[in-house]
Amino acid sequence: DAKTTQPPSMDCAEGRAANLPCNHSTISGNEYVYWYRQIHSQGPQYIIHGLKNNETNEMASLIITEDRKSSTLILPHATLRDTAVYYCIVRVRGGSQGNLIFGKGTKLSVKP
Amino acid sequence: NAGVTQTPKFQVLKTGQSMTLQCAQDMNHEYMSWYRQDPGMGLRLIHYSVGAGITDQGEVPNGYNVSRSTTEDFPLRLLSAAPSQTSVYFCASSYSRSEKLFFGSGTQLSVL
Repeated sequence: DAKTTQPPSMDCAEGRAANLPCNHSTISGNEYVYWYRQIHSQGPQYIIHGLKNNETNEMASLIITEDRKSSTLILPHATLRDTAVYYCIVRVRGGSQGNLIFGKGTKLSVKP
Repeated sequence: NAGVTQTPKFQVLKTGQSMTLQCAQDMNHEYMSWYRQDPGMGLRLIHYSVGAGITDQGEVPNGYNVSRSTTEDFPLRLLSAAPSQTSVYFCASSYSRSEKLFFGSGTQLSVL
């Protein structure tokens, strides 16, 4: 199963872009990259997902490298409410057949 | 449209007691799952279901039972609670296993 590596924590100034990296060097060709976030003790919230092309929605942009071994989640104008743990997840194939497996994520702190 | 509803929000049990954590969704989702989250850790999959009458084990199924008699409900049963089951439990659902997950607000369980 493909695994992801994320920095444990990052800081970002309010109003600036937050760029959260994720390495997934063993990703398979048909596996998607998903991003979720968890604000304080709430349930995780879906942000965005992609296969190979860059994706953008109202929350964020997802940039996937051409070799698909890494990706970056971009929050274009971070606010204090974006302070959360961000999870980069590669959809598992094989025995788990697509269940989302969460790692420890990156704790993003947006500072005034 | 209430989304994913979990009850109770908080529960304290004594070792050996049994209880059921309730999860209901009103989005007609086929896929439902249970995760637990321990301090400083990501979410770990306990059990999941791809449709009514079908359930399967996740990463950490021991000590937990599930059933899926209807599309809407996916209760998680602890038959004999242990202190190691002290955790925050999240229920999630999606249209299918490959689609984005919607999470409930969680149940904080303490086993003394």
